[in-house]
Amino acid sequence: RKEVEQDPGPFNVPEGATVAFNCTYSNSASQSFFWYRQDCRKEPKLLMSVYSSGNEDGRFTAQLNRASQYISLLIRDSKLSDSATYLCVVPLGGGSYIPTFGRGTSLIVHP
Amino acid sequence: DTAVSQTPKYLVTQMGNDKSIKCEQNLGHDTMYWYKQDSKKFLKIMFSYNNKELIINETVPNRFSPKSPDKAHLNLHINSLELGDSAVYFCASSQSGSAFFGQGTRLTVV
Repeated sequence: RKEVEQDPGPFNVPEGATVAFNCTYSNSASQSFFWYRQDCRKEPKLLMSVYSSGNEDGRFTAQLNRASQYISLLIRDSKLSDSATYLCVVPLGGGSYIPTFGRGTSLIVHP
Repeated sequence: DTAVSQTPKYLVTQMGNDKSIKCEQNLGHDTMYWYKQDSKKFLKIMFSYNNKELIINETVPNRFSPKSPDKAHLNLHINSLELGDSAVYFCASSQSGSAFFGQGTRLTVV
């Protein structure tokens, strides 16, 4: 099993749709999780942290399922500007924190 | 007032050359990283460095070496460049979890 796995997509959805991405991880000891967004030819930027109790920020909701070792990102009421690649980040590397990225899920929101 | 800045933004060079990419962060973070993003867009960790400890991804060729003159800087030196080194290289820093990235350096080896 790869350290961090994501469905690369692309997910092609109309404006206003709700879309969800999952990310599975292999290290059961991982404690911190994040979702990043990367636009074409730009650097990754932090979208939100993922807490054990779940985390909501406007139209975005992130959840953690420790038992099944996956995190999810739900986007409600999709906007054209949400089109990007969404990267899951899990810290791996034993006692040292090393942000390890999934391959990313591509989202395309169309009119 | 850029948090993590790296230079140059673009670098085109011939095979066999030696080049450096500079990175500076003004966030006061303890840990800095170098990542490589290849043509398939996969972000792979190359190095993690926090003044006391350098962690090297064992898949990184020893032609690549990080140099940290102080806590705010982590430069990347690459010797004997190869065609396969062409990629976007990102510097990042973190303190307690989330990482902040520089704008990236697009390296093209011809």
